[in-house]
Amino acid sequence: TQLLEQSPQFLSIQEGENLTVYCNSSSVFSSLQWYRQEPGEGPVLLVTVVTGGEVKKLKRLTFQFGDARKDSSLHITAAQPGDTGLYLCAGVPDGNNRLAFGKGNQVVVIP
Amino acid sequence: DADVTQTPRNRITKTGKRIMLECSQTKGHDRMYWYRQDPGLGLRLIYYSFDVKDINKGEISDGYSVSRQAQAKFSLSLESAIPNQTALYFCATSDQGRELFFGEGSRLTVL
Repeated sequence: TQLLEQSPQFLSIQEGENLTVYCNSSSVFSSLQWYRQEPGEGPVLLVTVVTGGEVKKLKRLTFQFGDARKDSSLHITAAQPGDTGLYLCAGVPDGNNRLAFGKGNQVVVIP
Repeated sequence: DADVTQTPRNRITKTGKRIMLECSQTKGHDRMYWYRQDPGLGLRLIYYSFDVKDINKGEISDGYSVSRQAQAKFSLSLESAIPNQTALYFCATSDQGRELFFGEGSRLTVL
């Protein structure tokens, strides 16, 4: 059973369009992280969200943590080809000490 | 120079051979991890270590072993490689176990 479900698995959009991807769970998390992985490289941490309802912005990327701390979303405004990559969410569920990863959202931005 | 360095970056070997993947870090973190990544399966934890001489199995440890030789070094061994161990392997470090810092990966092909 996958603790963190990411959707959609694959998304292809034109440069300049907006997109939102999701990370959902039935478990409560003390925090969630988002990573981006580019081909041939390791995942790189983008952000950590800690408080329910929290919104964090990183340039054109907006991350939101759900009020109940069970889900998170990533919104990209005016996507650029450099945003292409695999976006992974990860977190430690309450009552557990092991980090869980989702399978990722593969985003392709076409010039 | 990368904070988390993996060697080799690419390796092709034959079934039955012993393989060692090495990881070294300059971040000063106590916690180190080995993951494998397969298309459609995401990142899966093989082994992790919270300190020198501390070794813990992850979700897919069968067929693998590790050694934590020093705080900065964590190596992964495949005693007798088999084709279904063909994958992309990542070493990662962490300070508190919440946010991970990954190496660039080691691509292993077992023929």
